[in-house]
Amino acid sequence: QVQLVESGGGVVQPGGSLRLSCVASGFTFNNYGMHWVRRAPGKGLQWVTFIRFDGSKKYYTDSVKGRFTISRDNSKNTLYLQMNRLRPEDTAVYYCAKDSAEAEFEYWGQGTRVTVSA
Amino acid sequence: SYELTQPPSVSVSPGQTARITCSADVLAKQYAFWYQLKPGQAPVLVMYKDTERPSGIPERFSGSSSGTTVTLTISGVQAEDEADYYCQSPDNSALWVFGGGTKLTVL
Repeated sequence: QVQLVESGGGVVQPGGSLRLSCVASGFTFNNYGMHWVRRAPGKGLQWVTFIRFDGSKKYYTDSVKGRFTISRDNSKNTLYLQMNRLRPEDTAVYYCAKDSAEAEFEYWGQGTRVTVSA
Repeated sequence: SYELTQPPSVSVSPGQTARITCSADVLAKQYAFWYQLKPGQAPVLVMYKDTERPSGIPERFSGSSSGTTVTLTISGVQAEDEADYYCQSPDNSALWVFGGGTKLTVL
């Protein structure tokens, strides 16, 4: 069955960096686009970024452009999110999600928590 | 970009029917998708392309669409259905938009 396991979250000071990872299994990773979605405390879901199956195209929500970078290593079945210049408003649970022809967020991981605080 | 409007909360008693709506002009042209979020768990896709139920989702979950409003209906609500529900629809500019979420409370 499809499994997505995120890691790399933690507590970081404003201006700091973190790299999140999402290890995928149960499907052919290099055939599918992947998303990162976040949920800040007391807020709703916010789509963050998407990468095509081959890494050829990447899209970002405006608030993270120039600070976050999505990437993937298809040989390792792993998705990454490099987060730089973190702000308190980036505090959230970050989920990776698998795209598909039927549904853009077909499967999700359980999330990893990022806290940006001094 | 656009906004998908959901009621903040819906409350029903066990066994009753819960209806959660999602509204936006774009829904007259684009499909909607629904996700269930429970604390500490991975979000789950419960409805896709307005009315299609993924395998493994109970039959009490159904979807409908009328004009600019889509509705997620849970018939015979059970305590385990208590969760936050989000609608989502793609934006033609390659952005992805979620509704504000609806907290379903089972009384």
